Amino acid sequence: DAKTTQPPSMDCAEGRAANLPCNHSTISGNEYVYWYRQIHSQGPQYIIHGLKNNETNEMASLIITEDRKSSTLILPHATLRDTAVYYCIVRVKGGTQGGSEKLVFGKGMKLTVNP
Amino acid sequence: SQTIHQWPATLVQPVGSPLSLECTVEGTSNPNLYWYRQAAGRGLQLLFYSVGIGQISSEVPQNLSASRPQDRQFILSSKKLLLSDSGFYLCAWNRGSYNSPLHFGNGTRLTVT
Repeated sequence: DAKTTQPPSMDCAEGRAANLPCNHSTISGNEYVYWYRQIHSQGPQYIIHGLKNNETNEMASLIITEDRKSSTLILPHATLRDTAVYYCIVRVKGGTQGGSEKLVFGKGMKLTVNP
Repeated sequence: SQTIHQWPATLVQPVGSPLSLECTVEGTSNPNLYWYRQAAGRGLQLLFYSVGIGQISSEVPQNLSASRPQDRQFILSSKKLLLSDSGFYLCAWNRGSYNSPLHFGNGTRLTVT
């Protein structure tokens, strides 16, 4: 699976948009980009995923560059509750061995939303 | 809707004692099930995954084992805990089809003393 690179940390003002970058320069054509976040002492929470088109849901937007080597997660109006570690992961379409997934979580990026 | 339950939330066990952590999923059938461990300040490490009852794949050699006695039940065990087994253990599930996100439980904080 391709590796991802994220900055270790980022600050954002409450109410402003938070743009979280991720590099995945070795991504291959069948690998999806997934975003999760983990609030302290809780399990990771799924946010959004995409293959090559931009995606939006009730939580966030995902912008993937045309060459798919990087992406940006956008939280349009960050709140204090968005303070968490955000993980960008690439994942093989179809998974392995009947759909099981060997997701590799790195250290992620700590987003701090300040009042 | 689907829910995943893990217990206990916290556990303190002495070295050499046995371990049993349980995870159950509700609201779906034949899920893929996973056990991850997160050491302090580090990412998640996949320990085991299962695509069906009695089918367990181990990702890393270790002092732990997993079992899936029922379709929606996943158990993490150890006969004798080591200090290095301390960590945050997370159970997760997803559907067997591709493009299915992982959904995590709230984890068990294990401290081996």
